Amino acid sequence: RKEVEQDPGPFNVPEGATVAFNCTYSNSASQSFFWYRQDCRKEPKLLMSVYSSGNEDGRFTAQLNRASQYISLLIRDSKLSDSATYLCVVNQAGTALIFGKGTTLSVSS
Amino acid sequence: DAGITQSPRHKVTETGTPVTLRCHQTENHRYMYWYRQDPGHGLRLIHYSYGVKDTDKGEVSDGYSVSRSKTEDFLLTLESATSSQTSVYFCATRESGGETQPQHFGDGTRLSIL
Repeated sequence: RKEVEQDPGPFNVPEGATVAFNCTYSNSASQSFFWYRQDCRKEPKLLMSVYSSGNEDGRFTAQLNRASQYISLLIRDSKLSDSATYLCVVNQAGTALIFGKGTTLSVSS
Repeated sequence: DAGITQSPRHKVTETGTPVTLRCHQTENHRYMYWYRQDPGHGLRLIHYSYGVKDTDKGEVSDGYSVSRSKTEDFLLTLESATSSQTSVYFCATRESGGETQPQHFGDGTRLSIL
């Protein structure tokens, strides 16, 4: 079983749509969780950390379910500029970050 | 990230040649990392450093070595480059303060081994 799994997509949505990405992780000892955004041929950039109680940053909402080992990212009112690949990232004990392969989002007008 | 600079940004070289990639940070972060990113694999950790002269192997360390003689610089060396090492290489840093702190990435180096 892969350590961090994401639906690769692509997700093709119109502007203004709400879209949700899911991610599962295999190591129950995982301690920290993040969503990164990566534009084509660019470096990954931190979108948001994911906290146990769930957290929101503007149009973005992240949820964590430790019992199910499941992380989600919800994007409301999608913008053209949201088009990118979204990486689910999990930090296990120690310093290693484990990256999912990413989910591609394409927002069209 | 404005505080992390990778050099070179692009390099094409031949099989068997040595290659060194440099990561320079101005953030005074303790932890530094080298990743490679390949289609179908996502980002994979090569080596990391938890302080000056303190380094350890990651998931895909074979064929790579690293050095960190100063807080701000982390070098990745391919002693004898092979075509399988053609990839995009990212450096990342993290400040101290626990594993809840995220990593921040440099712009990347595109390396082609012919």
